[in-house]
Amino acid sequence: EIVLTQSPGTLSLSPGARATLSCRASQSVSTTYLAWYQQKPGQAPRLLIYGASNRATGIPDRFSGSGSGTDFTLTISRLEPEDFAVYYCQQYGNSPLYTFGQGTKLEIK
Amino acid sequence: EVQLVQSGAEVKKPGESLKISCKGSGYSFASYWIVWVRLMPGKGLEWMGIIYPGDSDTRYSPSFQGQVTISADKSINTAYLQWTSLKASDTAIYYCARGKSDDGYNWGAFDIWGQGTTVIVSS
Repeated sequence: EIVLTQSPGTLSLSPGARATLSCRASQSVSTTYLAWYQQKPGQAPRLLIYGASNRATGIPDRFSGSGSGTDFTLTISRLEPEDFAVYYCQQYGNSPLYTFGQGTKLEIK
Repeated sequence: EVQLVQSGAEVKKPGESLKISCKGSGYSFASYWIVWVRLMPGKGLEWMGIIYPGDSDTRYSPSFQGQVTISADKSINTAYLQWTSLKASDTAIYYCARGKSDDGYNWGAFDIWGQGTTVIVSS
């Protein structure tokens, strides 16, 4: 059974800073099937990145995804106040069919 | 506008049954997978199961197999998540979401989300 481990659990940064979030898989994940989501309190998750590096519709270009195999990264180049939220990575295709990481909380320093 | 609209919040007692819904609009509902995701208080997202409304092909997470039933009625563009006997541990927010598909290619990601249905199970 595949496990996605996100780090750090909490990331404290200031607006304008660069954020780097990690997602490590217990076994290889196809880059085609690695996604990132943002969730704010009281809201549904929002798809940010699919296929490891493709921005979803309407997602600003300060969000970027990279990685392959077992190590994936979400980078926010310059944090805006609205970017402080919880971020999840998610894979498809291994057993179980879909898996989410436990989340990284990005908070204002 | 492409959207998924979920049924309203529910407060139930342990042992009661429940069926919540997710209605799609603005797209060909039968042609896209619909997933159900649980968010428990203070926890992360959990994949529960997925259904293809076109033929009702359904897959469950091993963690939820036998605990819930997922179904869909493509004639009314609606997917369902149901319990026969709720437990306090079922207290959570439940989201439905649409599988992202471009020209039939399944990306394994979810691009349109419902607003969530809060389920509270308490005696």
